[in-house]
Amino acid sequence: KAGVTQTPRYLIKTRGQQVTLSCSPISGHRSVSWYQQTPGQGLQFLFEYFSETQRNKGNFPGRFSGRQFSNSRSEMNVSTLELGDSALYLCASSSDSASSYNEQFFGPGTRLTVL
Amino acid sequence: AQTVTQSQPEMSVQEAETVTLSCTYDTSESDYYLFWYKQPPSRQMILVIRQEAYKQQNATENRFSVNFQKAAKSFSLKISDSQLGDAAMYFCALVVGYGNKLVFGAGTILRVKS
Repeated sequence: KAGVTQTPRYLIKTRGQQVTLSCSPISGHRSVSWYQQTPGQGLQFLFEYFSETQRNKGNFPGRFSGRQFSNSRSEMNVSTLELGDSALYLCASSSDSASSYNEQFFGPGTRLTVL
Repeated sequence: AQTVTQSQPEMSVQEAETVTLSCTYDTSESDYYLFWYKQPPSRQMILVIRQEAYKQQNATENRFSVNFQKAAKSFSLKISDSQLGDAAMYFCALVVGYGNKLVFGAGTILRVKS
């Protein structure tokens, strides 16, 4: 089985621009979560999508948004970029069966640099 | 709200020796899971071990084992026979309730000396 893929792997943007990151989960996985990793704030949960619906949301401003498509692929968008948005953005997918907790598998991340 | 605290920013261990990474957490929920993730320089997050809160027995995965002290809300990771490939950032994480919202600690950098 192919793992979680994220595109692009690296991105450079300037302040005020917007950016869209993509995440393709493992085949059959319906839950996709996004995390932001920075040296100062560490790893922080952004949001989770399950069956095209946002199921959980972290404490990020409305500039951060996401969506999930019917094939479970997910995108996150950041509008009006700020220097502080420079980070590694990680995506994780899980099968989310009803029986028990299901492991989240992480993608390699997208490194976003805002100049 | 849930919190996870890792008080050791950095640890070193000699190859083939044993090292223990510390983690404490706080949650008012009774149903939760605890994890240790490894993040090598490639940045790929890898699950090392997990512990269900309702299980009293400590989880073990080959050279990795945990010491889960539920009353003390402590969850330490022991790495035995350390190898050079174990060098990485290690994150302790917690998830409660329904969904997949992982709460991470700040991480511990583990250096392995040959």
